[in-house]
Amino acid sequence: ETGVTQSPTHLIKTRGQQVTLRCSSQSGHNTVSWYQQALGQGPQFIFQYYREEENGRGNFPPRFSGLQFPNYSSELNVNALELDDSALYLCASTRDTYNEQFFGPGTRLTVL
Amino acid sequence: SQELEQSPQSLIVQEGKNLTINCTSSKTLYGLYWYKQKYGEGLIFLMMLQKGGEEKSHEKITAKLDEKKQQSSLHITASQPSHAGIYLCGADRLGGSARQLTFGSGTQLTVLP
Repeated sequence: ETGVTQSPTHLIKTRGQQVTLRCSSQSGHNTVSWYQQALGQGPQFIFQYYREEENGRGNFPPRFSGLQFPNYSSELNVNALELDDSALYLCASTRDTYNEQFFGPGTRLTVL
Repeated sequence: SQELEQSPQSLIVQEGKNLTINCTSSKTLYGLYWYKQKYGEGLIFLMMLQKGGEEKSHEKITAKLDEKKQQSSLHITASQPSHAGIYLCGADRLGGSARQLTFGSGTQLTVLP
């Protein structure tokens, strides 16, 4: 158990729709990162939030956006869903002074 | 961005056998992280290596970092079915923390009883 939870576990959407994925981090974890993992691939870094501000972004278009809240929860929003957005979405949280990231179990998104 | 290549892509071993998984970076390694993942689940942290020549062990798993070769290896001794899963190496994109990682594509390990 890493203390990081994600919801929902599974989600099915159609192309063009919008989706919101949620993550709840451990208390005191000020940094949250989101990753996309396509089938058979390693996770790809989407973006990171530190104290409610975006603190780094990978090679993902602006239709991927996020929010981080003071209660250590965060959201990943994806607009105008495409078929290639089908993947496992992982969030990971870190304390300021630690190097280890604690990963949640992921949300499996299927876009039809 | 940093590119990590893992080998082999998949590995099937008999229970009790030793095995090694390799991770090679095309760029300077500032730190190397090993994770294990059960299919479709989150990542479980195994080990973090930060210095050239560093070697860490946990139970039957040993990881080494060769900074000059920009390479890390993960060795499992006397494998057990519980070791089965996907092993991922990750390296920090910015060279400062473990919070923005680039991952290899993983090594799928199957341990036959």
